[in-house]
Amino acid sequence: AQSVAQPEDQVNVAEGNPLTVKCTYSVSGNPYLFWYVQYPNRGLQFLLKYITGDNLVKGSYGFEAEFNKSQTSFHLKKPSALVSDSALYFCAVRDGGGGFKTIFGAGTRLFVKA
Amino acid sequence: AAGVIQSPRHLIKEKRETATLKCYPIPRHDTVYWYQQGPGQDPQFLISFYEKMQSDKGSIPDRFSAQQFSDYHSELNMSSLELGDSALYFCASSLEAFGGSTDTQYFGPGTRLTVL
Repeated sequence: AQSVAQPEDQVNVAEGNPLTVKCTYSVSGNPYLFWYVQYPNRGLQFLLKYITGDNLVKGSYGFEAEFNKSQTSFHLKKPSALVSDSALYFCAVRDGGGGFKTIFGAGTRLFVKA
Repeated sequence: AAGVIQSPRHLIKEKRETATLKCYPIPRHDTVYWYQQGPGQDPQFLISFYEKMQSDKGSIPDRFSAQQFSDYHSELNMSSLELGDSALYFCASSLEAFGGSTDTQYFGPGTRLTVL
């Protein structure tokens, strides 16, 4: 069975500082990994994904994530945080071996302080 | 660019009533997913359809049913509504056909269902 863990309910960072939002996963086959961002009362917006290839993937709004197979992690990073990055971030995993079921983590709320 | 359209955006129902939520995927997308997001919760996968056939099933109650039609839009039917069904219901779509897969789900704005 698939599962996703986002160990931090909340991450606080000062504007201009680097940010990391953590995600670990469990899946029986090859993982398809995704990050989404959600603003209040809005739908989820796709940020980036890892399917295959380079472990470092770059996405929208300057975000990037690194796939680490040995640690089963897919942490989201940004070199310099903006106040406008403050939102709820979800990591999601799908079993690339088949099936469409996608499991989301509990979400991490990011606060960027000016 | 066209996005996923959901209707209605807001819906208020009484207990034991029925509700129908509609989803119109991005043009050419062949797969539709439904999610339920309770207050302060992560999205819970309910069900998905690929090429009008049910492809996967998650934590969807027996009181709920869904289908994908020939024009690829999907409807989620909810009967005998309970207070606990109050949530944001998201639809997402993707292109999964071999050779054209995006592997990425694009989400609609959601339907906020309130059961009184």
